[in-house]
Amino acid sequence: QVQLVQSASEVTRPGASLTLSCKTSGYRLTDFGMHWVRQAPGEGFEWVGSIEHDRDRTDFGPRFQGRATIRRDRSTATVYLDLRRLTSDDTAMYYCAKEDSGSYDDWGQGTRVTVSS
Amino acid sequence: EIVLTQSPGFMSLSPGERATFSCRAGQSLSRSYVAWYQHKPGQPPKLLIYGTSNRATGVPKRFSGSGSGTDFTLTISRLEPEDFAVYFCQQYGFSPNTFSRGTKLEI
Repeated sequence: QVQLVQSASEVTRPGASLTLSCKTSGYRLTDFGMHWVRQAPGEGFEWVGSIEHDRDRTDFGPRFQGRATIRRDRSTATVYLDLRRLTSDDTAMYYCAKEDSGSYDDWGQGTRVTVSS
Repeated sequence: EIVLTQSPGFMSLSPGERATFSCRAGQSLSRSYVAWYQHKPGQPPKLLIYGTSNRATGVPKRFSGSGSGTDFTLTISRLEPEDFAVYFCQQYGFSPNTFSRGTKLEI
């Protein structure tokens, strides 16, 4: 069965960078796109960005343009989200989500990110 | 970006009752690329409905979706105890994907 296993919680400071990982299994990584979405405390979900299934083309939400990167390692079936210039507004639960024709049929368990001085 | 407004924000019902959730888009979603998710505390969201009205694999028949244009609806015909959760919609026809804030369904 499909599994998406995310890296552990992160606590970091404003201005720092971090990398989250999402290790996949149960399907071929290049058959489906992968998205990152987040939910800040008390807020709705926000799309961070995505990587297309069959090529490394990426796209990002307006608040992440220029400070986020999504990449994948096909040898380990792992997708990464790099996020730079963090602020307290980036404090949220981050999820990787496998895309199937636009909607998200499988999700990682989530990684809690706390940005605080 | 397309704003999705969901109403109500909170709903209190009993098992066996019918639940209806409304999701209104700020502009017409001409391709009806709307999904609904269920979210329980401590778990990732679960896909219920995609393409406005298609049930995801393994989702019980009591869940149904409908709508077009700017108005979309998720209906749970008869609530079971495990259905009490937060429900939210997503549009994925226009970039960026956007989500509603959700409705919390409580017993």
